Amino acid sequence: GESVGLHLPTLSVQEGDNSIINCAYSNSASDYFIWYKQESGKGPQFIIDIRSNMDKRQGQRVTVLLNKTVKHLSLQIAATQPGDSAVYFCAERKAGNQFYFGTGTSLTVIP
Amino acid sequence: EPEVTQTPSHQVTQMGQEVILRCVPISNHLYFYWYRQILGQKVEFLVSFYNNEISEKSEIFDDQFSVERPDGSNFTLKIRSTKLEDSAMYFCASSVWDYNEQFFGPGTRLTVL
Repeated sequence: GESVGLHLPTLSVQEGDNSIINCAYSNSASDYFIWYKQESGKGPQFIIDIRSNMDKRQGQRVTVLLNKTVKHLSLQIAATQPGDSAVYFCAERKAGNQFYFGTGTSLTVIP
Repeated sequence: EPEVTQTPSHQVTQMGQEVILRCVPISNHLYFYWYRQILGQKVEFLVSFYNNEISEKSEIFDDQFSVERPDGSNFTLKIRSTKLEDSAMYFCASSVWDYNEQFFGPGTRLTVL
């Protein structure tokens, strides 16, 4: 079946290092992708999005890369801080207005 | 800063009972969503709502579920006859447009006994 999945369930990085979180998607017709951060006990928080007509988008300390050839999405966090520790989800927008989330990667930042 | 609010924060109900989960989306937003997250699992899409009608729904959103925007402010999710497997965190979200940042509420934890 179609799915959005994450390569690594957990990731630990040293404070100040860059983090890369990966996501594979299977629906080549998906046209919009979002990265969310979820802290314990809270709802998902938008980080950055990208449309399928782009391959890179930058925000404040974050960059999303989209490789449609291999259906791969990544989130890069520069100079990772302890406050970045959370679970990160990618989500894809399928036909119509349906959003499907991956299983999440737990990022731990080591001070 | 505007935010999505949800009530109650925690709802406990008996199997077979009806529950209504309430959300107040951000006032100028036009698209509304319900998601659920079973403990330890991924966020699952339930339904999207625009222009006072459902625009998309997932296979989870069966006849037991319904949504309503009764007064132009609230956005509700009703589960007619709850099952044990409906126990989850339910998140409401809203956005200005469909290709746009979705703002999530803090969630309602539903426990079905």
